[in-house]
Formats: sequence, C-alpha cells, structure tokens
Amino acid sequence: KQEVTQIPAALSVPEGENLVLNCSFTDSAIYNLQWFRQDPGKGLTSLLLIQSSQREQTSGRLNASLDKSSGRSTLYIAASQPGDSATYLCAVIGTASKLTFGTGTRLQVTL
Amino acid sequence: NAGVTQTPKFQVLKTGQSMTLQCAQDMNHEYMSWYRQDPGMGLRLIHYSVGAGITDQGEVPNGYNVSRSTTEDFPLRLLSAAPSQTSVYFCASSPSPPTGYRNTIYFGEGSWLTVV
Repeated sequence: KQEVTQIPAALSVPEGENLVLNCSFTDSAIYNLQWFRQDPGKGLTSLLLIQSSQREQTSGRLNASLDKSSGRSTLYIAASQPGDSATYLCAVIGTASKLTFGTGTRLQVTL
Repeated sequence: NAGVTQTPKFQVLKTGQSMTLQCAQDMNHEYMSWYRQDPGMGLRLIHYSVGAGITDQGEVPNGYNVSRSTTEDFPLRLLSAAPSQTSVYFCASSPSPPTGYRNTIYFGEGSWLTVV
C-alpha cells in the first residue's frame, strides 16, 4: 500500500526566505505526482504536476523535483511572501488512477 | 467560470439520517471523484467515476453511495449517517483519469459535515 509522508508538518519562516517542503512515498511505481495548495476553509488548488518521466517542473517562484528511485519529491519556494501561507499537500498517482495524499505541511510566512 | 461546485457547504445531521452532497462541474470532465479529509489522515478516496454511468469504489466506500447519470453531476449519498462520517468532503474532477499526461485535478471548495 502506498504511503506518503510530508515533513515538516508545520513551518514558520520570515518573509523573503527560500524554503523546501519534502514529500516521500513508499512505492515508486507512480504515474505522476502533484503538489497542491489548500487555504483554510477552501478546496485544493493544483500547483505543479510532474510526470513520472520528468525530473522537475517550474511555475513562477515554485519548483518541484521528483526522484522516483528514492521515492522523494521536493517543493522549493523562492522569496517567500505572506500570501504563500497555506497548507501544501503532495499526492502521488499510482495504479487504477488513485491518488494517495500526504497529510500536508502547514506553512506560515511572517512579516 | 464555476469549475467544481459543491453544495451544501455546511450541514449538521443526526445519527441515522440520510442526505446527499451535490457536486457539479462545467468543464466537461470525464473523471470525477469524492474524497474525505480528516485531521492527521490526509484525503482519502471514497468513490470515483470515469464517465457517465460508470462508478467504482475507492479506499473508504462503506456508508456512501454514488451515481453518475450525467457527465456534469456526481452526487454522494450518505445512507444512514454515523458520527464517524463527520468530516470535510471534497469533490474533484479532471479531463481524464489522474494517470493522464498533463492531467490537472480540480477540486470543489468542500462540504463540512457534522453528524451528532
């Protein structure tokens, strides 16, 4: 059974700092991996999608990497802003189109 | 530009009552799914559908029914509500199954359900 772990569970950084969120998964037989953002009381918004054949994807200040062989993905946020405060979730997509989510990293960017 | 719309946003039920959570999408997506989100457990798949008339069970299907009579709608029915079903429920849709190339998943804003 696929298990997805996100470390740390919570993170507080000052504005402007670069930061890395980690996601690890136990079964490397995945189709793709997605990073989502969830604001309090809201649904999930897709940030980046990495296909299993890719190593990384970039969108603005966000960069996600994928290392299937080691079962790891990282989300790099450059020059963090207070508006980046949210919970970040990763999800791996394996067989039968099923997503397995991590429990998320709650990020707070302070002024 | 509605995307994925869920109703109601909040609901309180008594144990044993039944209800339906509505989900509609206006993007002509084939693939729709329901998740529940509980503290410390992440999102877990309840049921999913790969197209009108086709549904299948996810990780935690017990106590829930679904149907997919149209491409747009994917309601989730709680047959006899139990306190263990207190959770936040999310509906999601995508153009094709999540294994698809460049396939982004869109989520509704959630339905908060409390069973007392």
